[in-house]
Amino acid sequence: AAGVIQSPRHLIKEKRETATLKCYPIPRHDTVYWYQQGPGQDPQFLISFYEKMQSDKGSIPDRFSAQQFSDYHSELNMSSLELGDSALYFCASSLGRRSYEQYFGPGTRLTVT
Amino acid sequence: DAKTTQPNSMESNEEEPVHLPCNHSTISGTDYIHWYRQLPSQGPEYVIHGLTSNVNNRMASLAIAEDRKSSTLILHRATLRDAAVYYCIRHAGGTSYGKLTFGQGTILTVHP
Repeated sequence: AAGVIQSPRHLIKEKRETATLKCYPIPRHDTVYWYQQGPGQDPQFLISFYEKMQSDKGSIPDRFSAQQFSDYHSELNMSSLELGDSALYFCASSLGRRSYEQYFGPGTRLTVT
Repeated sequence: DAKTTQPNSMESNEEEPVHLPCNHSTISGTDYIHWYRQLPSQGPEYVIHGLTSNVNNRMASLAIAEDRKSSTLILHRATLRDAAVYYCIRHAGGTSYGKLTFGQGTILTVHP
């Protein structure tokens, strides 16, 4: 079965650079979630989209922005990168924004040097 | 945010049952209990969820206390592949939609 695809899988950036992470949800899934997991920490919710509209917002820095496109894929844009942004970034998708089951992708490991 | 309390770690032997407890004493009547697990170097994976009644699926069983202040995830026969961090999550309804709030989970170690 098709799963959530994230690209790139690994990304190395320098401080103050920008990064774009992409997420391709499972076909027919209309809701996308972004989570950040720092080293040794638990995943933290950043933001979610349902039918291309922002659905919910968590502890996402103002330097980050995201959107969901007409084909339901989503991109997380990160600017003015800081060392503390180094983390695993997971995307999850679900069918409907009230779905009780989210399917997570393999994650993008971002390293800021 | 909604809080749950789980033991930091638990150990089990292969092919034995595992009972992972979770306390959620301030749960409201419309909150569901979700369990996700995260295997090493992977994204979280849905395990099971429930509201009031006990639930079973191919992966596990979920036993919810009558007062709903606690629940237990049951793995009937642990395998080495079940070694993971298990998260018990209260899923609030209303405007929280599908957002998952991960707290400190339980690190399950399975011994051969």
